[in-house]
Amino acid sequence: QLQLVQSGAEVKMPGASVKVSCQASGYTFTNYYIHWVRQAPGQGLEWMGIINPSSGGTIYAQKFQGRVTVTRDTSTSTIYMELSSLKSEDTAVYYCARRDVVVTATIFDYWGQGTLVTVSS
Amino acid sequence: DIQMTQSPSTLSASVGDRVTITCRASQSISSWLAWYQQKPGKAPKLLIYKASSLESGVPSRFSASGSGTEFTLTISSLQPDDFATYYCQQYNGYPWTFGQGTKVEIK
Repeated sequence: QLQLVQSGAEVKMPGASVKVSCQASGYTFTNYYIHWVRQAPGQGLEWMGIINPSSGGTIYAQKFQGRVTVTRDTSTSTIYMELSSLKSEDTAVYYCARRDVVVTATIFDYWGQGTLVTVSS
Repeated sequence: DIQMTQSPSTLSASVGDRVTITCRASQSISSWLAWYQQKPGKAPKLLIYKASSLESGVPSRFSASGSGTEFTLTISSLQPDDFATYYCQQYNGYPWTFGQGTKVEIK
């Protein structure tokens, strides 16, 4: 069935990097953009960026420019989000979500289960 | 960036109540607005896209309207499963942005 399965929780030191994966199954991988959204504890949702799984092209929120890199592996239908120079404020649940490439009216119809990243010394 | 402002931040209501949540955009976003429901520890669930289109499988007690800068989400008769936090999101232009959320609590 259709799934976006994310990697497990991570604990990182300040200044380190984290790489979260999102493996897609049950649909044609290249037909849907993948976005990353994060949510700090008790806070709202924050959009981070998007990748086109077909071309590998990316767009990032200005806030994360220079610190975030989203890549894909088409052979395994997996998207990776790497965030570097981690700070305590990056402690959050990170979600991947898909959006149809063609039917642009719609939006995030499927989400990953979320990956908790904790940044602490 | 486009700012999305939801009101109220918290809403206390009873089962069977009609509930309305408002979302305002800092500039026109046409109809590029979505609504999500989120429960604790879970990913958001899409309810509405393109301002008023009901996502497949979402109960018809949920409806939404608006365009430009003013949008509303209405739950016609609140059910026990509807107590959750609701977010609006604009996808008119990057960076996509969310409202701060409206928590619907049991009165």
